[in-house]
Amino acid sequence: EADIYQTPRYLVIGTGKKITLECSQTMGHDKMYWYQQDPGMELHLIHYSYGVNSTEKGDLSSESTVSRIRTEHFPLTLESARPSHTSQYLCASSGVTTAGELFFGEGSRLTVL
Amino acid sequence: KQEVTQIPAALSVPEGENLVLNCSFTDSAIYNLQWFRQDPGKGLTSLLLIQSSQREQTSGRLNASLDKSSGRSTLYIAASQPGDSATYLCAVLPSGTYKYIFGTGTRLKVLA
Repeated sequence: EADIYQTPRYLVIGTGKKITLECSQTMGHDKMYWYQQDPGMELHLIHYSYGVNSTEKGDLSSESTVSRIRTEHFPLTLESARPSHTSQYLCASSGVTTAGELFFGEGSRLTVL
Repeated sequence: KQEVTQIPAALSVPEGENLVLNCSFTDSAIYNLQWFRQDPGKGLTSLLLIQSSQREQTSGRLNASLDKSSGRSTLYIAASQPGDSATYLCAVLPSGTYKYIFGTGTRLKVLA
């Protein structure tokens, strides 16, 4: 079973609020990823990190930001949420300790009213 | 540019059938290929990982094969069950990068 955790699982907030989605892994993985996925649609990479203090934007432009100040922690922040941010956000990690296998968390379902 | 295609997009089968899901990729320079299962509203669960030097991997009723030269992988599910109903995705990790490329998935429904 994958040791990668996301909180909250579900979040309903009003427009303009600041939110942080948490992602933590206990596998010692150096690489971490955030994907965005609408229901029934494909995954889109929005942010990734190859290690501490390393973050890059993904293939899909996103108004969110990320940080990586600890190996195990990769939070995603939206400074001012809008209805267009309503989606499922999936965190994933991989590393040499698990032979490059990619593991996902359960996801955070965000609804902005 | 690496592209990953999964055919069919959706599949309905009666319980007990053996079935094959297909994954094609355009560039054979890959580090590995991974098959996932996704239930509605959930994250992805890793099923099988095939390294570039391997030809196949097996786990229970699942068998995945990899043919790099033809850019193809198949996921074989034996004796399908209603609990196998989900979306199945494949992803490749191109050589020289750590950005995975995902297919659009096959939605499988196994009828009781």
